[in-house]
Amino acid sequence: GQQLNQSPQSMFIQEGEDVSMNCTSSSIFNTWLWYKQDPGEGPVLLIALYKAGELTSNGRLTAQFGITRKDSFLNISASIPSDVGIYFCAGFTGGGNKLTFGTGTQLKVEL
Amino acid sequence: DTGVSQDPRHKITKRGQNVTFRCDPISEHNRLYWYRQTLGQGPEFLTYFQNEAQLEKSRLLSDRFSAERPKGSFSTLEIQRTEQGDSAMYLCASSLVGGTYGYTFGSGTRLTVV
Repeated sequence: GQQLNQSPQSMFIQEGEDVSMNCTSSSIFNTWLWYKQDPGEGPVLLIALYKAGELTSNGRLTAQFGITRKDSFLNISASIPSDVGIYFCAGFTGGGNKLTFGTGTQLKVEL
Repeated sequence: DTGVSQDPRHKITKRGQNVTFRCDPISEHNRLYWYRQTLGQGPEFLTYFQNEAQLEKSRLLSDRFSAERPKGSFSTLEIQRTEQGDSAMYLCASSLVGGTYGYTFGSGTRLTVV
């Protein structure tokens, strides 16, 4: 089946630093989504991307839909303690009937 | 509407027992999805409904699992003869048909089989 690989698997950064993570796929996706999940909660949608090359921001978050349609990137600027959590990429393929999730990037922020 | 609701939030059961979870989607959403998430992994698709019709089931959904959405509103997920390997977070999500705007997830039901 399709797999979405995220890197890094985890990262431990200082408050105020910028963060970058990415997601790669063996298949083409026509929609990319980024979710954040806090412990014991469901994932919450952060950003949605619909076109190859698209760059979209949501506050301190910026995400890009890769030109090859097989990857996506998420950047967080000036990290704060509440950014702690697990970030998942997810994508729809052509049929658009189900969402496939990545393996997750766990972010820890040091004060 | 307060979003997607799942009940219970936590369930501890003995191996071999049956359990049932409930999901109430966002009222205007006609699609409802069930996912399973184990520790350290991303959510994995189990099944989805459009209105009351179950349109797709993953091979992860063994014959011990059954899901229903009888009136196209709330849904239930039943696991019969639970096994320790069923321990996971079970997530429900809903969306409008097409769903390319992403799903809205509930807070999940954490199942522990002892």
